[in-house]
Amino acid sequence: DAGVIQSPRHEVTEMGQEVTLRCKPISGHDYLFWYRQTMMRGLELLIYFNNNVPIDDSGMPEDRFSAKMPNASFSTLKIQPSEPRDSAVYFCASSLRNRNYEQYFGPGTRLTVT
Amino acid sequence: AQKVTQAQTEISVVEKEDVTLDCVYETRDTTYYLFWYKQPPSGELVFLIRRNSFDEQNEISGRYSWNFQKSTSSFNFTITASQVVDSAVYFCALRGSQGNLIFGKGTKLSVKP
Repeated sequence: DAGVIQSPRHEVTEMGQEVTLRCKPISGHDYLFWYRQTMMRGLELLIYFNNNVPIDDSGMPEDRFSAKMPNASFSTLKIQPSEPRDSAVYFCASSLRNRNYEQYFGPGTRLTVT
Repeated sequence: AQKVTQAQTEISVVEKEDVTLDCVYETRDTTYYLFWYKQPPSGELVFLIRRNSFDEQNEISGRYSWNFQKSTSSFNFTITASQVVDSAVYFCALRGSQGNLIFGKGTKLSVKP
């Protein structure tokens, strides 16, 4: 079975540009999570969805960040406008409630904003 | 408040040594889940184990073993006879009532030949 798929794997953009990160969760999973990993802050949750509905977005840094999940097999995380401090690895993860919430992570998107 | 503390930032051992990675957690939830993830140099996060708060049995999987002690709020991870391929950053995480995982800062393990 395919795992969590993220694209792109690497993104380099200039400050002020819009960035869109994409995620396809494992088929059948009902939870989807977006995390950010930096050296300074470690792994931190940005937002998560249950059955395509955002449940907790308290980790989203500011209004420049938005996330959507239009259907069970696709989610996006958008940064507009991007800033150098947004440079990080962004992970998407999915889980299934009746598997006791084991989260399976995608390979991550390494974002560099210059 | 929920918190995971991995006091060991970096550990370096020589191949075949045993090594224990410490994890201490804080939560007020009566039901919770604890996890360990491995992040090798390639960057992906690999799920290793999940433990429920109501199951304190220790677990062994090959060279890996986990010691869960509610009395000390600890969930330590031991690698027996370490190998170079075990070199990675290891994260302990807690899932509470809110659904998300709260990660520790991670312990970087270097296994030298």
